[in-house]
Amino acid sequence: QSALTQPASVSASPGQSITISCTGAFGYISGYNFVAWYQQHPGKAPKLIIFDVSNRPSGISTRFSGSKSGNTASLTISGLQPEDESVYYCSSYTRTNTQWVFGGGTKLTVL
Amino acid sequence: QVLLVQSGAEVKKPGASVKLSCKASGYSFDSFDIIWVRQAPGQGLEWMGAISAGSGHTKYAERVQGRVTMTTDTSTNTAYLELRSLRSDDTAVYYCTRNYYGWGGYWGQGTLVTVSS
Repeated sequence: QSALTQPASVSASPGQSITISCTGAFGYISGYNFVAWYQQHPGKAPKLIIFDVSNRPSGISTRFSGSKSGNTASLTISGLQPEDESVYYCSSYTRTNTQWVFGGGTKLTVL
Repeated sequence: QVLLVQSGAEVKKPGASVKLSCKASGYSFDSFDIIWVRQAPGQGLEWMGAISAGSGHTKYAERVQGRVTMTTDTSTNTAYLELRSLRSDDTAVYYCTRNYYGWGGYWGQGTLVTVSS
């Protein structure tokens, strides 16, 4: 069983909203607000878009939002744009294990 | 602005070692941790470890413990990752990233390491 589980893919049309889930095992997500989301375009480095469950770094669009319930974190992207087509990774750690773990990634296709 | 520039691609034979660099600029280098993350071809992200640029304190992933050494040179604002006894499954793009509120807020462009006989 993986520490963080994401759906492999999701698709939607421009202008729509989508939500990507990230379910934690072994204590990840449930006990702490240590959840981040990264966006990675092909051949590029990951880009931090959400940290500590729901915080956006400076410069990140308000169309990206994060939340958490129990052991599942969610990334919501509203008003989908073609440039949102990418792979999204969730990440987490705990106070007792500060090593980051990553979900397997979710490929978002904007149809 | 914060910039991390990594060294160029490497091709190594199994059993060899590789040392990658990550030169930082645009901020106080010794005030932030540098974290190394790798990504095998077509695969997800894997945390390899972290180093406090100021103190040199390190923490490594169990999977590479014993084969990896992370160091920093505060005189040149450069972080290094050395990986020894290379195996084919070490083939990956290696990224350095700077701590931002506990996460990877600034990333280098990545270095492709290919391990092949």
